[in-house]
Amino acid sequence: NAGVTQTPKFQVLKTGQSMTLQCAQDMNHEYMSWYRQDPGMGLRLIHYSVGAGITDQGEVPNGYNVSRSTTEDFPLRLLSAAPSQTSVYFCASSSPRRGQSYEQYFGPGTRLTVT
Amino acid sequence: SQKIEQNSEALNIQEGKTATLTCNYTNYSPAYLQWYRQDPGRGPVFLLLIRENEKEKRKERLKVTFDTTLKQSLFHITASQPADSATYLCALFNQGGKLIFGQGTELSVKP
Repeated sequence: NAGVTQTPKFQVLKTGQSMTLQCAQDMNHEYMSWYRQDPGMGLRLIHYSVGAGITDQGEVPNGYNVSRSTTEDFPLRLLSAAPSQTSVYFCASSSPRRGQSYEQYFGPGTRLTVT
Repeated sequence: SQKIEQNSEALNIQEGKTATLTCNYTNYSPAYLQWYRQDPGRGPVFLLLIRENEKEKRKERLKVTFDTTLKQSLFHITASQPADSATYLCALFNQGGKLIFGQGTELSVKP
């Protein structure tokens, strides 16, 4: 299993540009989520999904859109990039039905810079 | 709203000593709490989960305690090694069912 994969690893955008961060998992996990990590702020939840066709907002959803058309994929769209969105973005997945640890599997991250 | 606080100051200890990291939370009593390890440039990796009815949980050199009265979890690494140097994050599901994280504490173990 590849686990959770994210592309691209690095991205530089200009203010106002849009882009999609890709996330895929091959573990058949129902739950997927997006976090951003900034120095001193820890991981903050952007959006999450409990299954295909179902998404919900996290702590910091403004400026981001998500969709979940398949179990495997959970892309994050930046509609109009702003310098405040410069961050490291992590995708995670888990399967609440399997085991009792609710362990989150994280991808390697995408480092985004908005100039 | 739910808040999680970890000591933002880095913890520096000598190899062989026990490292103790603290996680405090407010406003809601979670059913369980998780601990993760994060190395520079990588995603967090799950270490342990402890439930509200468990006072203590152990895994090899790791020990986690959960005090629901103090609203605090302690994470211990015994016989620490330089390879234990990393940032350690605690996390819990808040009342809305969302998994939220503390800001993490950086641990540095010197040989």
